Amino acid sequence: DTAVSQTPKYLVTQMGNDKSIKCEQNLGHDTMYWYKQDSKKFLKIMFSYNNKELIINETVPNRFSPKSPDKAHLNLHINSLELGDSAVYFCASSPMSRNYGYTFGSGTRLTVV
Amino acid sequence: GEDVEQSLFLSVREGDSSVINCTYTDSSSTYLYWYKQEPGAGLQLLTYIFSNMDMKQDQRLTVLLNKKDKHLSLRIADTQTGDSAIYFCAEKWDNQGGKLIFGQGTELSVKP
Repeated sequence: DTAVSQTPKYLVTQMGNDKSIKCEQNLGHDTMYWYKQDSKKFLKIMFSYNNKELIINETVPNRFSPKSPDKAHLNLHINSLELGDSAVYFCASSPMSRNYGYTFGSGTRLTVV
Repeated sequence: GEDVEQSLFLSVREGDSSVINCTYTDSSSTYLYWYKQEPGAGLQLLTYIFSNMDMKQDQRLTVLLNKKDKHLSLRIADTQTGDSAIYFCAEKWDNQGGKLIFGQGTELSVKP
């Protein structure tokens, strides 16, 4: 039983294409996140949704658009992909309880060529 | 700023203790976390500590918190080769939607 699942695990695509990454959690958490991990392993938050409402929107290009159809799903759509978008994208979820850390998915490795 | 600082590399011998250090920025953070990332995998929550605690022990893991100096450490006793991974500390910014700010990660290498 995967708690936070992301698809696809690997994505190789050409510059200029549009792609989506899907995330689903079966933990009953009400908050979900997208993080980007660059080649130096640095992790930076991109977005957060609580009960389908956007609560965190970091400085991310407009080409990135999150969508949360319900509180168990948070998808990430990327338009006009650029070489610099190559990274590992992690989805995570947490309940509203303050002491909880996040539960992370296994990541989507995006390579733009 | 949002910088959470960690040293990048640590190498130890199997059976020794490992100590990974972290300094954080937000004195109002109520919770601090340690995560482990194995190659090709996601982040696994190892442990967390509440900011009014000085120490927390969980089997081979000991977390020490010096709130005055904003310094956090993770000690792994009897380090095994399976402990080789990247370890991230993170602070939760309660006043910014509860986002977790991560350090750069410390790559722990355990030699037999």
